[in-house]
Parts: sequence; C-alpha cells; structure tokens
Amino acid sequence: AQSVTQPDIHITVSEGASLELRCNYSYGATPYLFWYVQSPGQGLQLLLKYFSGDTLVQGIKGFEAEFKRSQSSFNLRKPSVHWSDAAEYFCAVGPYNNNDMRFGAGTRLTVKP
Amino acid sequence: NAGVTQTPKFQVLKTGQSMTLQCAQDMNHNSMYWYRQDPGMGLRLIYYSASEGTTDKGEVPNGYNVSRLNKREFSLRLESAAPSQTSVYFCASSENTGSFYGYTFGSGTRLTVV
Repeated sequence: AQSVTQPDIHITVSEGASLELRCNYSYGATPYLFWYVQSPGQGLQLLLKYFSGDTLVQGIKGFEAEFKRSQSSFNLRKPSVHWSDAAEYFCAVGPYNNNDMRFGAGTRLTVKP
Repeated sequence: NAGVTQTPKFQVLKTGQSMTLQCAQDMNHNSMYWYRQDPGMGLRLIYYSASEGTTDKGEVPNGYNVSRLNKREFSLRLESAAPSQTSVYFCASSENTGSFYGYTFGSGTRLTVV
C-alpha cells in the first residue's frame, strides 16, 4: 500500500502565481516529513524537512510547508512562482523500519510565462 | 564540490548482460542507499547500507546485489539484466539511517535494457 500520496500528477501555474502542492501520508506515529525537488536530468535536492515543533517550516528557494496532523498532510507552498521552479517535486515520509524513507509518486510543475 | 557521484550516467544493456553501477560519497556519511525511479511510482528502495560492512534489502531487491566496498563507495550489480530493470537509478547517502537528516542524492544513472 502506498504510504505517501501526491494527488496531483501534473500542475501548471503562471509565473508569479501562488503554488500549493499536496502531500498526504499514512503513518502510525509522528513522521519525519520531507520535500525534495528534482530538476530535469538531476538528482533530488532537499527543499525542507519537518521533525517536530513549529508545524510551519521554511525551506530553500522561498518554499514553505505546513504539517497538519489532523489531516495527515504536509503541503508545500510558495507565494510567487518563478520560471526556474519548473521541476518535479517529491514528498517523502519516514522512517520505516528505522531506515527507510518512502517517496510519493511526484508532482510535475510547469510554469507558464 | 562535496556530494554523491554516480557512474555511468547512461547505459544500454542487452537482456542477460551484467553490469555494476558505481557510487561514491565524500561527506563521511555512514549510510548509503540505492533507489530506482519509475514513472508514476516515485522512488523505491532497492538496498541500503546502514554502515560500512553491512547491507540490507529494501522494498525491491530482487535481481540486484550490492557491495559496500568501504565507507565511501556502494555499488549496485545487475547479474542478468531484464527489461523490467529499465529505470533511473539513484544513489543517496545520509549521516545515519532513520532519515533524520534527509538524504543527499547523486544525479542518477539512466539504464535501458533491450
């Protein structure tokens, strides 16, 4: 069973518009949550992570994410998207079996001029 | 720049051929991982090495073997390649297992088995 769900396979936004990418997970306790970004032909780069404490976390490149325990969600947001944000975004949850991180299927972001 | 280096970047194999994917990190990380990325499925863990001298199976280990050669290097071997192993393979490392610190990924190896 999929442990991490990213409901949107592909999202298109206009440059300058706001962005929200959804992530839902199933986990027995408080998880460690991550967002990664993958530019074409590149590996994954960590954008931000949540372990505990403040449920709103700030990351690199102007991204933020909010952990909502009641909704089992960890959505990624950005107030104003730039063309360089076009990439694929992965949500990840762990640990499983003390060593594994499970990834969602990814959301591909297209930015229109 | 410090990071994870994977070789080769691209490879085409015929069914039944063997090959080894190489991975090296220079961040003094203890743990290393091999993932495969397939469209619509995200990344799935093949094998990992929690520390030098140890290796364990992940979610999809069938058809693969690994070697943790030393603290820096972690290789993935396909003994008899099959078309189902066509994928993009990523090596990653982290300070320790448990995902506490996130992973550093290599740039990937795109493998096609014909």
